[in-house]
Amino acid sequence: QVQMVQSGADVKKPGASVKVSCKASGYTFTGYYLHWVRQAPGQGLEWMGWINPNSGATNYAQKFQGWVTMTRDMSISTAYMELSRLTSDDTAVYYCAREGLGFFFDFWGQGTLVTVSS
Amino acid sequence: DIQMTQSPSSLSASVGDRVTITCQASQDITNYLHWYQQKPGKAPKLLIYDASNLETGVPSRFSGSGSGTDFTFIINSLQPEDFATYYCQQYDELPLTFGQGTRLEIK
Repeated sequence: QVQMVQSGADVKKPGASVKVSCKASGYTFTGYYLHWVRQAPGQGLEWMGWINPNSGATNYAQKFQGWVTMTRDMSISTAYMELSRLTSDDTAVYYCAREGLGFFFDFWGQGTLVTVSS
Repeated sequence: DIQMTQSPSSLSASVGDRVTITCQASQDITNYLHWYQQKPGKAPKLLIYDASNLETGVPSRFSGSGSGTDFTFIINSLQPEDFATYYCQQYDELPLTFGQGTRLEIK
């Protein structure tokens, strides 16, 4: 069965970077795009961008260009999202999600809470 | 960016009720719209894709319709497990955007 398992919660200081991992299993990792979506406490969903695990190509929401980096390691079927220059506004749950046919997200990771606090 | 406006932001209903949520796009998105359910502390779950197609395994009491800029999501005969927050999401163009969510509470 398809599973997306993310790394655990993290606490960072303002100005630091965080790297969240998403390990996929139960399907061909390189066959589906992976997206990252975040959700601030009590707020809605915000799309950050996608990575093509096969080619490594990425597409970031304009808001995040220059401070998010999405990568992957095909050998271990794992995608990564790194966010730099963190501020308190980046405190959120970060989700990875697999894109099914038609830009919908059919499988999600369990979410990773990133807390930015001095 | 395409703005997605959901209505209402929250509503209270009882088990057995019929509930309607609307989602309006700021421009024509054809039928490039999906609906998700999210329960507290959990990841969203896909319910409806391409405006009206039921995801595999989702109960038939959930349905969606619409095209262009106006979309409707209906839950017939609410069940206790349906109390959650619902989001629409467009994929007509990047960036992908979501509605602000509709919180469905027990009356």
